[in-house]
Amino acid sequence: AQKVTQAQTEISVVEKEDVTLDCVYETRDTTYYLFWYKQPPSGELVFLIRRNSFDEQNEISGRYSWNFQKSTSSFNFTITASQVVDSAVYFCALSGPSTDSWGKLQFGAGTQVVVTP
Amino acid sequence: DAGVIQSPRHEVTEMGQEVTLRCKPISGHNSLFWYRQTMMRGLELLIYFNNNVPIDDSGMPEDRFSAKMPNASFSTLKIQPSEPRDSAVYFCASRHQGRDNEQFFGPGTRLTVL
Repeated sequence: AQKVTQAQTEISVVEKEDVTLDCVYETRDTTYYLFWYKQPPSGELVFLIRRNSFDEQNEISGRYSWNFQKSTSSFNFTITASQVVDSAVYFCALSGPSTDSWGKLQFGAGTQVVVTP
Repeated sequence: DAGVIQSPRHEVTEMGQEVTLRCKPISGHNSLFWYRQTMMRGLELLIYFNNNVPIDDSGMPEDRFSAKMPNASFSTLKIQPSEPRDSAVYFCASRHQGRDNEQFFGPGTRLTVL
């Protein structure tokens, strides 16, 4: 079975602080994809990043960075120098062949990030 | 390029009425997904289609829910009869199977059943 755990329900920070969101996954697949999505207060779900299980290189995109560690089944997400506009719910998700096909995304419960000025 | 389009954005109806939600996927995408989001249950996959064919509808709550995809550019999710517990935000998402695995979501339809 596939499972994604985001243990942090809510994180509150003051603007310019860094914030790291944890994501731990379980899968029996040897090949799989991991994703992060952002859901701002307006409600839409915005795709942020996709990572293939074969690619363990960390990635940085502006103030966002992702740390994928297969050994610990974790795919953590860091926002550097947070801004009020980063306030949102962030979802980690997993897909792999064991869910009948590659189509299904297994989402975590989400982490609410609150950035105050 | 336009993203996934959903209509209506908001729907308020009374218990027992039929509700139809509509989705237009991104042009060229061949997989389409319907999700429901509630505070209690989070994001749930209801059904998904590949090349207009339903692949997995195990997430559809009960027979009151049905989904169709008559062509590559249009899908509907119908609830008949609607009940207050169906109140939720319903998202449609699409992706290009075989090229990328990420799904792109529409803005959602907020359904309220009174």
